[in-house]
Amino acid sequence: AQKVTQAQTEISVVEKEDVTLDCVYETRDTTYYLFWYKQPPSGELVFLIRRNSFDEQNEISGRYSWNFQKSTSSFNFTITASQVVDSAVYFCALSDFNAGNNRKLIWGLGTSLAVNP
Amino acid sequence: DGGITQSPKYLFRKEGQNVTLSCEQNLNHDAMYWYRQDPGQGLRLIYYSQIVNDFQKGDIAEGYSVSREKKESFPLTVTSAQKNPTAFYLCASSIRVAGVSHEQYFGPGTRLTVT
Repeated sequence: AQKVTQAQTEISVVEKEDVTLDCVYETRDTTYYLFWYKQPPSGELVFLIRRNSFDEQNEISGRYSWNFQKSTSSFNFTITASQVVDSAVYFCALSDFNAGNNRKLIWGLGTSLAVNP
Repeated sequence: DGGITQSPKYLFRKEGQNVTLSCEQNLNHDAMYWYRQDPGQGLRLIYYSQIVNDFQKGDIAEGYSVSREKKESFPLTVTSAQKNPTAFYLCASSIRVAGVSHEQYFGPGTRLTVT
């Protein structure tokens, strides 16, 4: 069965520290997609990144970077030089392939990040 | 501006009443989704729709109903049969391409309180 594990429930850092949020997934699909979302205190989820299983290149977007490793089934997210505005709950998700190409997302339980000034 | 709107932001109801949550999108997306989020928990899928006039149950559909009469709209009714309706409800939409899973875009959510 597909599963996403975000082992870190809460992380607290001081501004300007680097922080890595872990995401480990399980799937028997050979083709799958992984996602990260940010949920600030306002509640609306914000899409951050999508990665397919055939692309293992790491990605960097400003202070954000993602490390995808199929060998360890992990898709970790690093924030460099964290800022107070990064405080949010971060969710990792995995696409689930069903018959008829309908794909649902399997969600982790989220990691709550607090960046303190 | 393209996006997803959900109204109202806060909703209060008495136990035993049905309530309908609105979700509208102008992103021209085929697929739409309803999720429920409880404190400290991840998102749980209630219903999803890949195309107009078609929808499927998600993981926790009992006590909920939906309709998809228009591409832009996917309202969710929380019926009196839902045992614990108090929660944060999120609507999302995405494009639909065969064999590809695209990112979902979310609305601001509706916080429903039933007493």
